[in-house]
Amino acid sequence: EPEVTQTPSHQVTQMGQEVILRCVPISNHLYFYWYRQILGQKVEFLVSFYNNEISEKSEIFDDQFSVERPDGSNFTLKIRSTKLEDSAMYFCASRQRIQGNEQFFGPGTRLTVL
Amino acid sequence: DAKTTQPNSMESNEEEPVHLPCNHSTISGTDYIHWYRQLPSQGPEYVIHGLTSNVNNRMASLAIAEDRKSSTLILHRATLRDAAVYYCILIRIGSGDKLTFGTGTRLAVRP
Repeated sequence: EPEVTQTPSHQVTQMGQEVILRCVPISNHLYFYWYRQILGQKVEFLVSFYNNEISEKSEIFDDQFSVERPDGSNFTLKIRSTKLEDSAMYFCASRQRIQGNEQFFGPGTRLTVL
Repeated sequence: DAKTTQPNSMESNEEEPVHLPCNHSTISGTDYIHWYRQLPSQGPEYVIHGLTSNVNNRMASLAIAEDRKSSTLILHRATLRDAAVYYCILIRIGSGDKLTFGTGTRLAVRP
């Protein structure tokens, strides 16, 4: 069964450093998402991406964040200058074109900012 | 966005049915009702969704009230693996389909 994959599974970085989290969505999906979950808190929407551009972003997704689909398979989330409060699980998700259809989530990347 | 209300926690015995309720009294006609779950230390996982009619799939059933102001996720025989946080989420057609997670219902399954 096709699945969303994410790398790395755990990333440790120093405050102020740039990180890139990588995702490979399911191959025939057209909509892509990033969510995050701070330990013990709710899953929060960050950004949605369709047709090579951002369709929607939350207040969390400020100028320090960017997303890219550099080729036909990868979908990346970059944090330019990490802060302690960026420590969280980051989940990538994708879905097919059909309206209202389910999103498939990856296993997540745990980001720890020291 | 229309809001959902779920109990914070529920318990069930293994191999018994579980009915997880969700209230969404401000639902609009273009809102799909989605259910996701999150097992410990994993990403969210799609369970089921519906619009107006009851739905069944291999994981669960979704019963939608006639006025659509509430719905119930039914796990027909709970297993230990079903212990998770279950989220009831409304998605408006044409909204971009972002998922807005609440605190959900934490389901504990007793052996």
